[in-house]
Amino acid sequence: DAGITQSPRHKVTETGTPVTLRCHQTENHRYMYWYRQDPGHGLRLIHYSYGVKDTDKGEVSDGYSVSRSKTEDFLLTLESATSSQTSVYFCAISGTDTQYFGPGTRLTVL
Amino acid sequence: QQQVKQSPQSLIVQKGGISIINCAYENTAFDYFPWYQQFPGKGPALLIAIRPDVSEKKEGRFTISFNKSAKQFSLHIMDSQPGDSATYFCAASLPSTGRRALTFGSGTRLQVQP
Repeated sequence: DAGITQSPRHKVTETGTPVTLRCHQTENHRYMYWYRQDPGHGLRLIHYSYGVKDTDKGEVSDGYSVSRSKTEDFLLTLESATSSQTSVYFCAISGTDTQYFGPGTRLTVL
Repeated sequence: QQQVKQSPQSLIVQKGGISIINCAYENTAFDYFPWYQQFPGKGPALLIAIRPDVSEKKEGRFTISFNKSAKQFSLHIMDSQPGDSATYFCAASLPSTGRRALTFGSGTRLQVQP
């Protein structure tokens, strides 16, 4: 998985609780992305980062925030988890055009 | 708004046959078109990619055909094998500096029967 780890790999939480997912890379790539994968929708961009402390919104950013204080780490936070945020979350990195994906985090919000 | 439409949703092919998956895009500014392969429980992995200045790209048994005027591109898997059974996603990205985020199709689940 191109030097990308995600933690946790699985998480079950309750509606209304905050959740933070972590993506860690060892490739020193500038760009990092968070996608969610849902049946019938492919993968959809939540947020992305083009450098330390430089982030921007994707197409499904409502209810999510991100932070990148170091090149290697990109955090995704669900401020108050809802059942509609039950999904598989993938982190990706890229130096140029090619994006490499991590193994994913399966999140279930009850 | 779904900018990349993928078909079929699922596909069953016999071993040795040709698998064909099609995608259509709307935004003519897209300039990079990758295909990803995903196995259950894994992240998507880049299979092959093309830019709109060429009409075809081949890597082993995998070929992308690109039709710029029709705004369509397709993946052909020759001599399909059971190990090719996976979900395939087409995608597209814009030449925006600092972004390069991918817009994905909805995916095709391929099953190759022995």
